[in-house]
Amino acid sequence: DAGVTQSPTHLIKTRGQQVTLRCSPKSGHDTVSWYQQALGQGPQFIFQYYEEEERQRGNFPDRFSGHQFPNYSSELNVNALLLGDSALYLCASSQDRVEAFFGQGTRLTVV
Amino acid sequence: RKEVEQDPGPFNVPEGATVAFNCTYSNSASQSFFWYRQDCRKEPKLLMSVYSSGNEDGRFTAQLNRASQYISLLIRDSKLSDSATYLCVVPASGGSYIPTFGRGTSLIVHP
Repeated sequence: DAGVTQSPTHLIKTRGQQVTLRCSPKSGHDTVSWYQQALGQGPQFIFQYYEEEERQRGNFPDRFSGHQFPNYSSELNVNALLLGDSALYLCASSQDRVEAFFGQGTRLTVV
Repeated sequence: RKEVEQDPGPFNVPEGATVAFNCTYSNSASQSFFWYRQDCRKEPKLLMSVYSSGNEDGRFTAQLNRASQYISLLIRDSKLSDSATYLCVVPASGGSYIPTFGRGTSLIVHP
């Protein structure tokens, strides 16, 4: 049983560019949440998708958007990248609002 | 008051020691709590769930104090491999279950 998988694992982008990160949830999970983790900090909630809709959103600007597909996989898009967007982006999947399982993350560096 | 607060540490202990971390939370309606472990540059992994008064799993014990709104994690007979960051997770306030992470407590176990 594959766990949560994210791609790519590492990414380098230039300020102003756009990026798309991908996540496949654990088998049987229908809810996907995205987090941003800066160095030395805990993960910060970006948004959560359920039934292909954004169910809840954290305190992130509209430059951060997402999508969930019928197979429950999800994408995180970030437009107009800033240096401060450099972080580890984590995807977590869950079922029935119970424990969340994380992917290995995508390390984004904006230069 | 922050939704979840943790002492970032680091806690520096010798092998075999007993160490405890506390995590305070602000949402008095929270029903479920979690401890995650995160190794350097890796994703968080679920360590323990706490739904009522406490939970024990081998050398690890998690306890909940609803009156004072904190949860604790006790590690007995520390191993070198216990060195990691321990993240406390509680549901965010507002009714929806959105996991809110503390910034984590760093544990270093030395020989």
